[in-house]
Amino acid sequence: GAVVSQHPSRVICKSGTSVKIECRSLDFQATTMFWYRQFPKQSLMLMATSNEGSKATYEQGVEKDKFLINHASLTLSTLTVTSAHPEDSSFYICSARSGPDRGPEAFFGQGTRLTVV
Amino acid sequence: GDSVTQMEGPVTLSEEAFLTINCTYTATGYPSLFWYVQYPGEGLQLLLKATKADDKGSNKGFEATYRKETTSFHLEKGSVQVSDSAVYFCALTGDSGNTPLVFGKGTRLSVIA
Repeated sequence: GAVVSQHPSRVICKSGTSVKIECRSLDFQATTMFWYRQFPKQSLMLMATSNEGSKATYEQGVEKDKFLINHASLTLSTLTVTSAHPEDSSFYICSARSGPDRGPEAFFGQGTRLTVV
Repeated sequence: GDSVTQMEGPVTLSEEAFLTINCTYTATGYPSLFWYVQYPGEGLQLLLKATKADDKGSNKGFEATYRKETTSFHLEKGSVQVSDSAVYFCALTGDSGNTPLVFGKGTRLSVIA
């Protein structure tokens, strides 16, 4: 299947700093990528849909000024957690769909464990 | 809107037991259906899929059949192993384009030796 790579896998940052998470589609072009947040032992929560060359679409309740999404190319989307606080600690996962050529499924990155201290 | 309902866990089984995780869905038209698996500390991996009614998806001993008449896509495995311990997500999509998949809440499976 198609490959989505997410980096870093783990990051610890101090409260008040910003953290950038990268999501790359390695063998296909993704005009749209998705960012999820997952709390311990809970399901995925869709945060936003990232569209190449345009503004991201955020789900209700997600602060777009805190979670900045940039999708500058067809293979890269980034999520920046700005002015991070301990409550932003979580597991963040990106996903992309490769379009009808490769089937309807979505492919996921490995996830990023963010810990804000 | 579209939705997925799957049995809530956790499910605890002994090694070599039979596994069933129920999944039902609500959708217009003819969605594609998926099972994803998430091992601890990792992202989601596609386990199997079915794109039309009566299709059977299978992988690694897991199977699920797309049942349109009952709007179900139950996951089964005849003999689970400790290494199958993970969280399993049922999901669907009604298109092949750029919308996110709709996920169930996930079912945590623990297999004990």
